[in-house]
Amino acid sequence: DVKVTQSSRYLVKRTGEKVFLECVQDMDHENMFWYRQDPGLGLRLIYFSYDVKMKEKGDIPEGYSVSREKKERFSLILESASTNQTSMYLCASRAPKLTMNTEAFFGQGTRLTVV
Amino acid sequence: QQQVKQSPQSLIVQKGGISIINCAYENTAFDYFPWYQQFPGKGPALLIAIRPDVSEKKEGRFTISFNKSAKQFSLHIMDSQPGDSATYFCAASLGGATNKLIFGTGTLLAVQP
Repeated sequence: DVKVTQSSRYLVKRTGEKVFLECVQDMDHENMFWYRQDPGLGLRLIYFSYDVKMKEKGDIPEGYSVSREKKERFSLILESASTNQTSMYLCASRAPKLTMNTEAFFGQGTRLTVV
Repeated sequence: QQQVKQSPQSLIVQKGGISIINCAYENTAFDYFPWYQQFPGKGPALLIAIRPDVSEKKEGRFTISFNKSAKQFSLHIMDSQPGDSATYFCAASLGGATNKLIFGTGTLLAVQP
């Protein structure tokens, strides 16, 4: 059974803290993604990675950074948490297009509250 | 040009009725159009997907209709059931090595018994 695991279901952090959200996948996928989900705004792409140590900005990268030191792990970092970063964060992984296996697999999400 | 526009934002359907959710896109480079289903407290999961060389795809009670010339696609849920109550997202893929998915804003479907 394929799996994307996010380290925390719920997090409460203080404004100004550095926050790490961790994601691990067991499918040997090259591509991993971090999305943010907010009511009425859908899933917005923050950052994605197409290989170890490779990353690209998504649509809303401001205030975030990422790290991918190993193929199976993709971390989202909030450098200095702010209240407008309170949201549901979803990690996903996906095989490269050339394999024709194009389903994206999501983790269960991390509900982050910044107070 | 990379947006996917989804409507309606919410939908209430009676049990046994047909649920219809619509999406539109601008970028003709999109080459893969999936629908994801999300239940409360869970991550989205793939429901059904279509490629632009096909006008319709059916899997059980779920059908995607695709209109390439209009750059629109829709999800039809026949004989809607209370267990179908969830949030539905359409998406489009740009392809290439990065295989990035662009999502619509979501539709909250409630099927009343």
